[in-house]
Amino acid sequence: NAGVTQTPKFQVLKTGQSMTLQCAQDMNHNSMYWYRQDPGMGLRLIYYSASEGTTDKGEVPNGYNVSRLNKREFSLRLESAAPSQTSVYFCASAGLASVDEQFFGPGTRLTVL
Amino acid sequence: GENVEQHPSTLSVQEGDSAVIKCTYSDSASNYFPWYKQELGKGPQLIIDIRSNVGEKKDQRIAVTLNKTAKHFSLHITETQPEDSAVYFCAATPYNNNDMRFGAGTRLTVKP
Repeated sequence: NAGVTQTPKFQVLKTGQSMTLQCAQDMNHNSMYWYRQDPGMGLRLIYYSASEGTTDKGEVPNGYNVSRLNKREFSLRLESAAPSQTSVYFCASAGLASVDEQFFGPGTRLTVL
Repeated sequence: GENVEQHPSTLSVQEGDSAVIKCTYSDSASNYFPWYKQELGKGPQLIIDIRSNVGEKKDQRIAVTLNKTAKHFSLHITETQPEDSAVYFCAATPYNNNDMRFGAGTRLTVKP
């Protein structure tokens, strides 16, 4: 099992450009999550999907959109990137809810110039 | 929403010593408290968790204690080894709630 995979690993964007971060899991998990990690601030939840076909906002959803394409895949889209979105983005999955162990991907380091 | 505070932000210990990291939370409805370890360039990985119906849980050299009255929980690592060096995060969430809140992290350095 590959666990949780994310693409790309690194990305540099100019302000105003758009991009989609991809995430996939092969553990048959129901719940999937997108976090951003900034120095000194820990992990903050952007969006989550409790099951296929549903998505909900987390703590910091502004400037992002998500799509739960199927049970395996959960993508994060930046429509018009801003320097404040420079961060490391992590995707995670869990069996039922966050009270189950969350398995994290390796992360995407995004820089917006 | 929930607010989790974590201390200290950095911790340096000698190999073989113990390390303690403390977290406080604000939402009395929180009842699941995981601890994650993040090594350089990797995603966080769960090392231990505790639910509100117990006050302490131990797994080899790692233990977690929970005081629901005071709303704080702690991670204890005994007989530290250089491979324990990493960033550790605490988190808290109520049951049936997908909005887990994390502490800011503690960078632990174990000196050989």
